Amino acid sequence: DTGVSQNPRHKITKRGQNVTFRCDPISEHNRLYWYRQTLGQGPEFLTYFQNEAQLEKSRLLSDRFSAERPKGSFSTLEIQRTEQGDSAMYLCASIPPGKNIQYFGAGTRLSVL
Amino acid sequence: KQEVTQIPAALSVPEGENLVLNCSFTDSAIYNLQWFRQDPGKGLTSLLLIQSSQREQTSGRLNASLDKSSGRSTLYIAASQPGDSATYLCAVSSGNQFYFGTGTSLTVIP
Repeated sequence: DTGVSQNPRHKITKRGQNVTFRCDPISEHNRLYWYRQTLGQGPEFLTYFQNEAQLEKSRLLSDRFSAERPKGSFSTLEIQRTEQGDSAMYLCASIPPGKNIQYFGAGTRLSVL
Repeated sequence: KQEVTQIPAALSVPEGENLVLNCSFTDSAIYNLQWFRQDPGKGLTSLLLIQSSQREQTSGRLNASLDKSSGRSTLYIAASQPGDSATYLCAVSSGNQFYFGTGTSLTVIP
């Protein structure tokens, strides 16, 4: 199965540390989205890429957050100087060209102690 | 900004019952609406996608309808089973943005 892959599945870190998550989209999907989801809430949009270009960022994405998709394939989301409020599930979705259908990965659950 | 609401927030039904989940949105200018299922601690699994020009879509025991003019969609689950227990989320797409509801947590009691 070549679905959307996210690594790691779980990350526990201490406050103030930096963390990086990776998302591998489905092959040839040109759009890639990052979301954050907290308990009891729906996913909240963070940012998205079309190929390697980051086209939109949410106001939720403070300057401690950065995302890249250097070759238009996999993407990374980095959080610097983590805070307890960053604890959440981080979800990645990819979308094939010409369609608005999202395919989600299993997510990375971040716990900041 | 598009706002998506799902009612009820939680639902508990006995096995075998038919049920309806609701999703409403404030801006009718949508491209499509997608229903997802999410198991605890997991990612989202797509169930049904309805394009803005469509009225309904069916997959097995699931039927989703869309009334764009009134800003509403329903997900009908027939003959519910304990394995249907999960959170159900709807998402509307407008341009390149996707807006999610907060979900309905469904428990099917054996």
